[in-house]
Amino acid sequence: LAKTTQPISMDSYEGQEVNITCSHNNIATNDYITWYQQFPSQGPRFIIQGYKTKVTNEVASLFIPADRKSSTLSLPRVSLSDTAVYYCLVGNSGGYNKLIFGAGTRLAVHP
Amino acid sequence: EADIYQTPRYLVIGTGKKITLECSQTMGHDKMYWYQQDPGMELHLIHYSYGVNSTEKGDLSSESTVSRIRTEHFPLTLESARPSHTSQYLCASSESKGEKLFFGSGTQLSVL
Repeated sequence: LAKTTQPISMDSYEGQEVNITCSHNNIATNDYITWYQQFPSQGPRFIIQGYKTKVTNEVASLFIPADRKSSTLSLPRVSLSDTAVYYCLVGNSGGYNKLIFGAGTRLAVHP
Repeated sequence: EADIYQTPRYLVIGTGKKITLECSQTMGHDKMYWYQQDPGMELHLIHYSYGVNSTEKGDLSSESTVSRIRTEHFPLTLESARPSHTSQYLCASSESKGEKLFFGSGTQLSVL
């Protein structure tokens, strides 16, 4: 099972772009990369998922280099409401699959 | 969006009591999970299920037990609650293919 490493915390200001990088050196061929957002006292919420190159949705972009050993979640023009913990997960749907969360990145957005 | 429900939302109970935390989903997902999370800390997987009559222990040892008699229902039971069980318990589900987890709102358990 691929282990992930993320920065423990990050600080930003409203209106800035935030990039959170996750390292997953032993990612397997079948593994996907998924990012979640969690607010206090709530369950995590799916943000975005990708396999390679770039994926974009209405809330974020996910950049994955060719070697797939890392990925970067990009949040455009953050607001105070983006203050949360962000988790990167790596796993696949085939057979044995336990989705293990790491420590996540605690993002604080300041006025 | 996701339809996964946990009850109760909050539970305060005395030591030694038996409790069951309920989790139900209406999406027909085969996979279901229980995570435990203390305030400000990471989530720990304590149980998971790939389908009816399938249950496995997660990476964090837990004194709780689970059952999966119906696809939509994945309750967690503590036979004798202790203060060390005080935590937030989060239930999640996902499709057989894909790692998009849908989480419930959680149960905040306090054992006095």
